[in-house]
Amino acid sequence: TQLLEQSPQFLSIQEGENLTVYCNSSSVFSSLQWYRQEPGEGPVLLVTVVTGGEVKKLKRLTFQFGDARKDSSLHITAAQPGDTGLYLCAGGSYGNNRLAFGKGNQVVVIP
Amino acid sequence: EAQVTQNPRYLITVTGKKLTVTCSQNMNHEYMSWYRQDPGLGLRQIYYSMNVEVTDKGDVPEGYKVSRKEKRNFPLILESPSPNQTSLYFCASSLEGTEHSPLHFGNGTRLTVT
Repeated sequence: TQLLEQSPQFLSIQEGENLTVYCNSSSVFSSLQWYRQEPGEGPVLLVTVVTGGEVKKLKRLTFQFGDARKDSSLHITAAQPGDTGLYLCAGGSYGNNRLAFGKGNQVVVIP
Repeated sequence: EAQVTQNPRYLITVTGKKLTVTCSQNMNHEYMSWYRQDPGLGLRQIYYSMNVEVTDKGDVPEGYKVSRKEKRNFPLILESPSPNQTSLYFCASSLEGTEHSPLHFGNGTRLTVT
């Protein structure tokens, strides 16, 4: 099973600040997905990145896939309380129908 | 509304008493899967199904059974639950089950085995 390491595990910031969380692996992935999970709910897909070096933006969230397709980052600009949640990255490999999940980045945005 | 529905949301049971957690999706998805989520361990896959009558073990299949007799349903069966199966369980589905297909998750079933 391929391992995805997410860091930091826990991050607490004030509303309006910026933050970056990371998803790293020693394995190459054909694609990487980011999900957000709020308390009492299942994870919800935010974005899928496929090409090395790819950058995708979703409002104040910026996702980047590393050039070597082994890592990814999520940057949140001017964080809002609604950004609070557990952010999960999941990597997929060519021809493999199973995703490998990281343990998540717990983000808390304090009003 | 497109969704994955799990029932029940909460379940407390005793060791050894068989139980079934149901999962249904209305998106005509080929792929369905069960995960358990535990503090410090993240999401771990229990079983998955690529299509009707096709199921495969995930990372932690011991103590669980599944069946896929219809495309929309994928129940999780615990024949003899034990306390170490106390966890938060998620059912998920995707259109194709490839590495690019996004997963749609249910809202979870919190199981406590005493």
